Amino acid sequence: ETGVTQSPTHLIKTRGQQVTLRCSSQSGHNTVSWYQQALGQGPQFIFQYYREEENGRGNFPPRFSGLQFPNYSSELNVNALELDDSALYLCASQAGVGAKNIQYFGAGTRLSVL
Amino acid sequence: DQQVKQNSPSLSVQEGRISILNCDYTNSMFDYFLWYKKYPAEGPTFLISISSIKDKNEDGRFTVFLNKSAKHLSLHIVPSQPGDSAVYFCAASQGGSEKLVFGKGTKLTVNP
Repeated sequence: ETGVTQSPTHLIKTRGQQVTLRCSSQSGHNTVSWYQQALGQGPQFIFQYYREEENGRGNFPPRFSGLQFPNYSSELNVNALELDDSALYLCASQAGVGAKNIQYFGAGTRLSVL
Repeated sequence: DQQVKQNSPSLSVQEGRISILNCDYTNSMFDYFLWYKKYPAEGPTFLISISSIKDKNEDGRFTVFLNKSAKHLSLHIVPSQPGDSAVYFCAASQGGSEKLVFGKGTKLTVNP
């Protein structure tokens, strides 16, 4: 039990729609990262938020956007969904930036785009 | 272009024996490496890490070895237990960044 919770667990959308995924960080953690894990692949870094500001981004288009709130919970928004967006979306919280601060992952949201 | 490679999709070992999981990387700028373990329906869980200034790090039954010249690291689990059965991900970081680059994972099965 990492203390990181994600909702919803599963989600089905159609191509072109928009989706919002939510993450509640572990208590005391001010940094959250989002990852996309396609089937048979490892997690791929989308972006990170530190104290409500974006603090690094991977190779994902602008239709992937995020928010971090004052209580350090966060959202991942994806616009204009494509079939290839079907994946497990993981969030990970940590106490401060830097690789040496352990990232604690939630169980993920499974998104299916039809 | 995959910068972190785990070339064995699966590994099966007997309980009590050693499990060796391998990972190769191509980016010489990576300076921090981590192993995560993932059970079905759960998120990845941090297992052990190693900085590029070291060649070995040990934590109980788990030891990670780093060979920088070969751009290779391995995770040794001794002795292996059935509860170790999971998918193991190797991850790397550059310049202390929390942007982790993951391999595809190796599914370990430890048979009783």
